[in-house]
Amino acid sequence: GAGVSQTPSNKVTEKGKYVELRCDPISGHTALYWYRQSLGQGPEFLIYFQGTGAADDSGLPNDRFFAVRPEGSVSTLKIQRTERGDSAVYLCASSLELLAGGQAGELFFGEGSRLTVL
Amino acid sequence: KQEVTQIPAALSVPEGENLVLNCSFTDSAIYNLQWFRQDPGKGLTSLLLIQSSQREQTSGRLNASLDKSSGRSTLYIAASQPGDSATYLCAVHAGGFKTIFGAGTRLFVKA
Repeated sequence: GAGVSQTPSNKVTEKGKYVELRCDPISGHTALYWYRQSLGQGPEFLIYFQGTGAADDSGLPNDRFFAVRPEGSVSTLKIQRTERGDSAVYLCASSLELLAGGQAGELFFGEGSRLTVL
Repeated sequence: KQEVTQIPAALSVPEGENLVLNCSFTDSAIYNLQWFRQDPGKGLTSLLLIQSSQREQTSGRLNASLDKSSGRSTLYIAASQPGDSATYLCAVHAGGFKTIFGAGTRLFVKA
């Protein structure tokens, strides 16, 4: 597709359940990011992929959160044993990799997946 | 640790007014700064990207400036319209591949 695609757009689950959120980046973008946004706040960095590998996962809040990108394109964010505090909008973004001279590519975001944990 | 602050948190202006949104960041060692627009319940739409070597970028009625040494950026919106009503976010692409966001400025343009 032309833009970043995220599914599902909405997910309601019960406390303790397992959840997967999917991101399909713009074709050709090697860099992929996951962010989490709470109401009234800016997005908070979770994890960054360059190709298939997680180059920076320092934003993942705890070991219940995990993300994969096995073929360097689609990524899945996985949340185990969900808690009510996990409720937020999970945003995915993609960009071209870091350019020469230290410049970084423009970020393009998907519409997000709104997760509600009851 | 990089921190990004946006002032004001909210702004209401009459249609047609020119306005300035402010963004400040604590660490000047950045790759770029990007301004986004976010409508309620939607994702982020990129407005302008300023590389660290640039001082400003323009797109239509929007102009963004960057002063790395003082850790500041402004987004200027000319002749505001009701359709400009949204939350505007600035984001700094710092070291370690992270992009750090401010909390945003909620803009309301009254017809």
